[in-house]
Amino acid sequence: GAVVSQHPSWVICKSGTSVKIECRSLDFQATTMFWYRQFPKQSLMLMATSNEGSKATYEQGVEKDKFLINHASLTLSTLTVTSAHPEDSSFYICSASKTSGGTDTQYFGPGTRLTVL
Amino acid sequence: DQQVKQNSPSLSVQEGRISILNCDYTNSMFDYFLWYKKYPAEGPTFLISISSIKDKNEDGRFTVFLNKSAKHLSLHIVPSQPGDSAVYFCAASALGSGTYKYIFGTGTRLKVLA
Repeated sequence: GAVVSQHPSWVICKSGTSVKIECRSLDFQATTMFWYRQFPKQSLMLMATSNEGSKATYEQGVEKDKFLINHASLTLSTLTVTSAHPEDSSFYICSASKTSGGTDTQYFGPGTRLTVL
Repeated sequence: DQQVKQNSPSLSVQEGRISILNCDYTNSMFDYFLWYKKYPAEGPTFLISISSIKDKNEDGRFTVFLNKSAKHLSLHIVPSQPGDSAVYFCAASALGSGTYKYIFGTGTRLKVLA
């Protein structure tokens, strides 16, 4: 149990376009979903935390107008990178938690590799 | 400001021997710690966790030790197997302060040699 999927697994887009990444919890209801970004040889950096039905909480330095997060249901969260630029190229990973957090484990998706040309 | 540090970017260990991965943290508010394993192009998978009220937690071949006074934790894998070759991330959270987000270290790449 506790499987999280992401779609697409990789995407290449032109600079200036928008890209939507989906994160789904397949066999459990995710009260909270997290979005991370990982640059090569660096740590996973938390971008934002979202709870179903409410606005996402963004980490310092993350532009909320550029990285739109929607957590419309208990099994689906989406991250839209708007007006993507080459510096947005990264590995984006979501995770999901059955509760609002605490000692409940975060289950990670397989990640989405975004390349902006 | 890197609050969670893994100072060894890589580690090679012979199959059957012990692998010891280290992690240091600076924030004394952290009270919950986890280890994740990550293969290339995949998301991290949960390995083991430990609360600050404990100093050791064991699960099969994996044991995590926590030294609160030194702000240090370590993951021991015994015996190491080639399938353990991956990048290992430690993560910390300050649950007591009501924040549930994880702060990850930069990872240690473990290579277990057959």
